[in-house]
Amino acid sequence: NAGVTQTPKFRVLKTGQSMTLLCAQDMNHEYMYWYRQDPGMGLRLIHYSVGEGTTAKGEVPDGYNVSRLKKQNFLLGLESAAPSQTSVYFCASSSGQGGEQYFGPGTRLTVT
Amino acid sequence: GDSVTQMEGPVTLSEEAFLTINCTYTATGYPSLFWYVQYPGEGLQLLLKATKADDKGSNKGFEATYRKETTSFHLEKGSVQVSDSAVYFCALGMKTSYDKVIFGPGTSLSVIP
Repeated sequence: NAGVTQTPKFRVLKTGQSMTLLCAQDMNHEYMYWYRQDPGMGLRLIHYSVGEGTTAKGEVPDGYNVSRLKKQNFLLGLESAAPSQTSVYFCASSSGQGGEQYFGPGTRLTVT
Repeated sequence: GDSVTQMEGPVTLSEEAFLTINCTYTATGYPSLFWYVQYPGEGLQLLLKATKADDKGSNKGFEATYRKETTSFHLEKGSVQVSDSAVYFCALGMKTSYDKVIFGPGTSLSVIP
């Protein structure tokens, strides 16, 4: 089992460019999440999904969009990147039974 | 609102020292409590958990007890190793429609030989 994987691992964008981050999980989990991690601020939830075809906003959704067309994949899009979106992005999944979340290795994004 | 407070770091200890990282929480209802660990360059991984009051979670020599009366979940280890150097996150697991988890800000631990 690979668990939760994320691509790419690193990316540098110029202001205004767009990109998509891909998250995949092989644990048949219903719930998936996107977080951003910034120094001194812990993890903040961007968007989440409780099943294929569903998405919802988290704590800091502005500037991001998501899609969950397949149960195993959860995509995070930035339509017009801004320097404030420089961060480390983590995807996570859970079984939806009140248990723990399983995290991917992260994507380090720099917007110049 | 629901929140988690952790002791500020960074914490630097010598190998074989005793470790305590304090964690207190504010929550409505009866959350589950977690400690996650993040090693350099990696994602978070679950270290231990407790789902109800007085439960003790333990793993890899680390322990934490769910104390409802003091709303605390302090992490302890009797003898730290260099390989324990990492960032530790205390977290609340809320019983919501999407299994919301609220993370503390993290405490960085460095263990020196």
